[in-house]
Amino acid sequence: GAVVSQHPSRVICKSGTSVKIECRSLDFQATTMFWYRQFPKQSLMLMATSNEGSKATYEQGVEKDKFLINHASLTLSTLTVTSAHPEDSSFYICSAGFGLALETQYFGPGTRLLVL
Amino acid sequence: GQNIDQPTEMTATEGAIVQINCTYQTSGFNGLFWYQQHAGEAPTFLSYNVLDGLEEKGRFSSFLSRSKGYSYLLLKELQMKDSASYLCAVMDSNYQLIWGAGTKLIIKP
Repeated sequence: GAVVSQHPSRVICKSGTSVKIECRSLDFQATTMFWYRQFPKQSLMLMATSNEGSKATYEQGVEKDKFLINHASLTLSTLTVTSAHPEDSSFYICSAGFGLALETQYFGPGTRLLVL
Repeated sequence: GQNIDQPTEMTATEGAIVQINCTYQTSGFNGLFWYQQHAGEAPTFLSYNVLDGLEEKGRFSSFLSRSKGYSYLLLKELQMKDSASYLCAVMDSNYQLIWGAGTKLIIKP
C-alpha cells in the first residue's frame, strides 16, 4: 500500500511558540491531503482539506489563521500551529488521497503535540 | 445533519466472534470504511464497502445495507492484538469522510 510519513512524530513546545508538522506521500502523488485532530478517547475531527497549489478548505470552527496549511507539491503538505497553547495539545494526523473519487485515504503515523 | 452511530465499547473473549454495528445518516453516500486504531497510533484501513452485501477479508468481514443505512464489521477468531478502537466512516456526496466516534473493543483471555 501507499506510504505517508509525518514529521515530527512527537513534539513538546512552550506556549506561544509555533510548530510545523510535515506530511509526505512517499511513493505516490497525492491529489488531496487531509489534516485531522484527535483528542483522547475521541474520534478523528477533520480540520482542513488541501489540494496542491490552492488554498486549504477549513472545517467550521477551525481557525485558518492559527492552523496554517501549505500544500506546495503533490507529495508535501505542512500544518503550522501558530502561537500554540495548551489546549492545542492533541494528536494530529494527516492523510493523503489520490484520484478523482478519493475512496481510499492513506494515513500518516500521526504527530503528538504537547504544549506546556 | 450527518450522523454516524456505533457502540462506545464492547468486550469479547479470545477466540470468539464479535460484530460491531454502525448506522449512518449522511448527505449522499460514496462508500463506508472501517478502520482499526490502536491506542496512540493512526488508523489503519480495514475495509471499504460501496455496494450492498458482505465483503470477506481473512478474519474480518464487513457488511453494508444502503437502504437501511447500516453496516457491521465482523471479527472472527479474536486475538488479543485485536484489542483496539474500530472506526466507522462514511464518505458523503462531497467525498468527505464523516467519522463515527469509534468502538473500543476489549479482548479478554
